[in-house]
Amino acid sequence: SQQGEEDPQALSIQEGENATMNCSYKTSINNLQWYRQNSGRGLVHLILIRSNEREKHSGRLRVTLDTSKKSSSLLITASRAADTASYFCATGAAGNKLTFGGGTRVLVKP
Amino acid sequence: GAGVSQSPSNKVTEKGKDVELRCDPISGHTALYWYRQSLGQGLEFLIYFQGNSAPDKSGLPSDRFSAERTGGSVSTLTIQRTQQEDSAVYLCASSLRVTNEKLFFGSGTQLSVL
Repeated sequence: SQQGEEDPQALSIQEGENATMNCSYKTSINNLQWYRQNSGRGLVHLILIRSNEREKHSGRLRVTLDTSKKSSSLLITASRAADTASYFCATGAAGNKLTFGGGTRVLVKP
Repeated sequence: GAGVSQSPSNKVTEKGKDVELRCDPISGHTALYWYRQSLGQGLEFLIYFQGNSAPDKSGLPSDRFSAERTGGSVSTLTIQRTQQEDSAVYLCASSLRVTNEKLFFGSGTQLSVL
C-alpha cells in the first residue's frame, strides 16, 4: 500500500503560472521528500523536509509540511515547459523504508 | 561510478522464463532499494537492503521474486517463471547512509513479458 497520496493526479497550466500539488500520508514520519520523474524512468530528488520543519525553499520550489494534518504541498513558481514531469512525494519513518505516492502529472503548456 | 547503473535497460522475455535484473549502486552507499512501476502508476516498494542487516522483503509480490546483494554492493533482482503482469519498469535506488535519506535512482529496466 502507498503511504503518500498526491493530489491532484494531473495538472495542466500555462508557462509562467504557479503549480501546486499536495501529498497526504497516514502514519508518523521523520521526513518527507519530493521527486521528479521525466519520461517514466529514473526519479530525481528535489527536496527533503524533516518532521520538525514547516517550510523549505529551493530555487523556484517551495515545500510546506503540516504534521498535524499529515500533509505537505509542493509549489513550483513561474513554471517552465521543462517542468513538465510527474512529481512524487515519499515518506520515511524512523528505521523504515521510503514509500512513494501515486504521483501528480504536470503539463506546462508554452 | 558516477551514478546508479542498471542493466539491461530493456528486457523482453517470454512468459515462464526467468529473468535477472542488475543494479550497481553508487560506491559507498549502504542502502539499496528496488521498486516497481507499472505504466502511469506510482512506485511499488519491493525490497530494501541496509548494510549487513537482514533485508526488508515485505514488498515482494510473490515467491517468484527474490533479490540479493553481494558484498554490500551490486544487487540482482530475479523473477522466476515470469508472468505478463510482471511487465513494468524496475527501478533501483541507493542512499548514502541509514534509512530515509535522499535516494539516487538508476534509469530502470523496462521488462516486457510476452
